[in-house]
Amino acid sequence: QKEVEQNSGPLSVPEGAIASLNCTYSDRGSQSFFWYRQYSGKSPELIMFIYSNGDKEDGRFTAQLNKASQYVSLLIRDSQPSDSATYLCAVTAAGTALIFGKGTTLSVSS
Amino acid sequence: GAVVSQHPSRVICKSGTSVKIECRSLDFQATTMFWYRQFPKQSLMLMATSNEGSKATYEQGVEKDKFLINHASLTLSTLTVTSAHPEDSSFYICSASPRGSQAYGYTFGSGTRLTVV
Repeated sequence: QKEVEQNSGPLSVPEGAIASLNCTYSDRGSQSFFWYRQYSGKSPELIMFIYSNGDKEDGRFTAQLNKASQYVSLLIRDSQPSDSATYLCAVTAAGTALIFGKGTTLSVSS
Repeated sequence: GAVVSQHPSRVICKSGTSVKIECRSLDFQATTMFWYRQFPKQSLMLMATSNEGSKATYEQGVEKDKFLINHASLTLSTLTVTSAHPEDSSFYICSASPRGSQAYGYTFGSGTRLTVV
């Protein structure tokens, strides 16, 4: 059974702080790793994807991947109230569907 | 680019009736589409993989005779919930990726909120 684990939260951070979201996965064959953001009642939207070990930065977001530890993280710098949402970690191997974690709820207070 | 359109966005139906949900890739061809279901405060659960021109592949525990999937063209997949019951009430979301670009993530439709009364 392929699993993706996330802390459900809620994770509460003040505005302007760094939010750190973590994810572990069980399938060592996983090749692609994604972070999606989902607002209540809406479908997920892609924030970032990463394939290689290390860091990948895109604006205020940084994804980190450690395949040896089967660990993916997402850092959100200068958190804003509009970042309050559920963040879903998802992984896939070549040609397979995304497997999602249960998501971490982030709350950014102003 | 890479837009997936899903209709309807919201539907209320009576118990025992059938509901069809459409998923279209607007600006790319999708040989494979995925159907997910999400119950309140839970994550997305893959229901089935829809393959153009062939039978869908269903995940364990998903009744293929209840959730009929048709992928008749490279831009359209449909999910029909047959003989719907209140326990089928959920948020159904389709996703697709541009051909040859699965590794770059999947685009999701806007979802369909199904309520069975």
